[in-house]
Amino acid sequence: DVKVTQSSRYLVKRTGEKVFLECVQDMDHENMFWYRQDPGLGLRLIYFSYDVKMKEKGDIPEGYSVSREKKERFSLILESASTNQTSMYLCASSLPQGPVGNQPQHFGDGTRLSIL
Amino acid sequence: AQSVSQHNHHVILSEAASLELGCNYSYGGTVNLFWYVQYPGQHLQLLLKYFSGDPLVKGIKGFEAEFIKSKFSFNLRKPSVQWSDTAEYFCAVNGGSNYQLIWGAGTKLIIKP
Repeated sequence: DVKVTQSSRYLVKRTGEKVFLECVQDMDHENMFWYRQDPGLGLRLIYFSYDVKMKEKGDIPEGYSVSREKKERFSLILESASTNQTSMYLCASSLPQGPVGNQPQHFGDGTRLSIL
Repeated sequence: AQSVSQHNHHVILSEAASLELGCNYSYGGTVNLFWYVQYPGQHLQLLLKYFSGDPLVKGIKGFEAEFIKSKFSFNLRKPSVQWSDTAEYFCAVNGGSNYQLIWGAGTKLIIKP
């Protein structure tokens, strides 16, 4: 069974801090994703990565950056945290697109981040 | 731009009632369709998916969904719900992108015992 592990379930930080959210997957998946989940808005893609050192912006990349130095690890960085970044952050991984279409994404438990 | 619409944000049912959650998408080409479920305190997990073939797809825990191409819909159904089905349900669509899923806003389902 795929295991996607996010480093923290709950995190409280202050405005202006640099925040690191870590995600590790154990299934050798090429694709990894960072989403934020807000009530009534569903999941919105922040960044994704399809290979080591490769990254692509999603729908809402402003104020965030990512790092993927190893295949199993994908980090989300809030460069200077702001209160509007208070949210639930979800990491996911998947195999690459197959001949019949996209592979399902496997999710971590999420990190509930509060910025004070 | 692609979008996914889930018609109901909150649904409350009694046990044994039948369930149908609506999902409509906007994309004219070939699509891959997914339903995910998030039980309280747990991570999102795949309920079922449609790539091609039989438009009636069966998933885990007695759920099924029907892809109706002419209506751009992928509604989720279960004939008789249980209290343990209380969760948030998300519809997601991929069309034309190698990586990105477009997600609906989610439907919170509450089953009264």
